[in-house]
Amino acid sequence: GQNIDQPTEMTATEGAIVQINCTYQTSGFNGLFWYQQHAGEAPTFLSYNVLDGLEEKGRFSSFLSRSKGYSYLLLKELQMKDSASYLCAPFTGGGNKLTFGTGTQLKVEL
Amino acid sequence: DVKVTQSSRYLVKRTGEKVFLECVQDMDHENMFWYRQDPGLGLRLIYFSYDVKMKEKGDIPEGYSVSREKKERFSLILESASTNQTSMYLCASSFITGGGYNSPLHFGNGTRLTVT
Repeated sequence: GQNIDQPTEMTATEGAIVQINCTYQTSGFNGLFWYQQHAGEAPTFLSYNVLDGLEEKGRFSSFLSRSKGYSYLLLKELQMKDSASYLCAPFTGGGNKLTFGTGTQLKVEL
Repeated sequence: DVKVTQSSRYLVKRTGEKVFLECVQDMDHENMFWYRQDPGLGLRLIYFSYDVKMKEKGDIPEGYSVSREKKERFSLILESASTNQTSMYLCASSFITGGGYNSPLHFGNGTRLTVT
């Protein structure tokens, strides 16, 4: 089975850095995705980690520790448009499917 | 850019009706998925398909069926709609890269279904 845990809500200030954590327990783990979803819109792909370590992509970085069942998404130089829900999704390769966490609603304030 | 198109943005149906939700992708992706999204529950997988005429149950398949007659089209069917199937339905597609890893899922804009 799958168990994914991430905070429900976070608030941060424009220009700051925020880290969104995700812990998971899955069978057949084969990588982890992070998605961003603005209200009323479809989720969009942010990052994918297969190996342990940090993947950097502009203002966004994602970290994975397979042995600890832990990942985080790091957002730097926060902008108002970063206010959205961030979804952690471990990938189980055996089933070719993603299981999504319930998401972390990030609010960026002035 | 990958385009995943869902036939309706908003749909209102009556209890007991048979409902078809259509999804088409234009990138020759092998995998297609149907999720529903509800507040506090997140995205939950209903069914997925990794090839034409193939289907696999997701985490919540009860009350649903699917059809994949062509590679680009994946239909979700509510055999007899019920009020607890009121939800946002999201279709997605992906391809299989080398080594058996999947590409990211590309989502359609969603269909908000209300069953009255």
